[in-house]
Amino acid sequence: EAQVTQNPRYLITVTGKKLTVTCSQNMNHEYMSWYRQDPGLGLRQIYYSMNVEVTDKGDVPEGYKVSRKEKRNFPLILESPSPNQTSLYFCASSRTPSQGQETQYFGPGTRLLVL
Amino acid sequence: LAKTTQPISMDSYEGQEVNITCSHNNIATNDYITWYQQFPSQGPRFIIQGYKTKVTNEVASLFIPADRKSSTLSLPRVSLSDTAVYYCLVGGRMDSSYKLIFGSGTRLLVRP
Repeated sequence: EAQVTQNPRYLITVTGKKLTVTCSQNMNHEYMSWYRQDPGLGLRQIYYSMNVEVTDKGDVPEGYKVSRKEKRNFPLILESPSPNQTSLYFCASSRTPSQGQETQYFGPGTRLLVL
Repeated sequence: LAKTTQPISMDSYEGQEVNITCSHNNIATNDYITWYQQFPSQGPRFIIQGYKTKVTNEVASLFIPADRKSSTLSLPRVSLSDTAVYYCLVGGRMDSSYKLIFGSGTRLLVRP
């Protein structure tokens, strides 16, 4: 089944404790991205990757890191999480980078609470 | 980058037609307009996409006027299960950037 998976689905951590949220897709997609979703703010793109070893900042990259060493995986790294990074995070992928015409496939989300 | 503006929320009743409009005044020539639906605790999913005029599929229609500065998602005869948040997305190519910018979404509540 074609899908985007994220792990963990729920995470509670404390300020400053490094964490990684994994994202994997099995559709051989080139484009992958991370979003955070906060009440009233919709979906905001954190980082995106157009292919292996090619990443770039989205609208809200501060406090986050990403890597794309393999085509299928795109982990999101919070080196020193802070409470303002408490949010719902979504990973998404599409066949190619595009000017929006490629359908984005979203993962199920990771709910993060930083104490 | 085309910024989108949508109503924050809308209410409707079962069986009615619902039209949600998205404004995107700065849409670029090559940008497509895509709508996504999101249920609570789930990732958004694709509903419909268009470039100009009208597009229809099994779940919705998308109307895009000639100037393409807005678009309207039309949901015919909504049911309770259409209660969700609807996002309008306009392609975000700018220079070498492949950013995608979603709007804040429209929360649709369908009442019995």
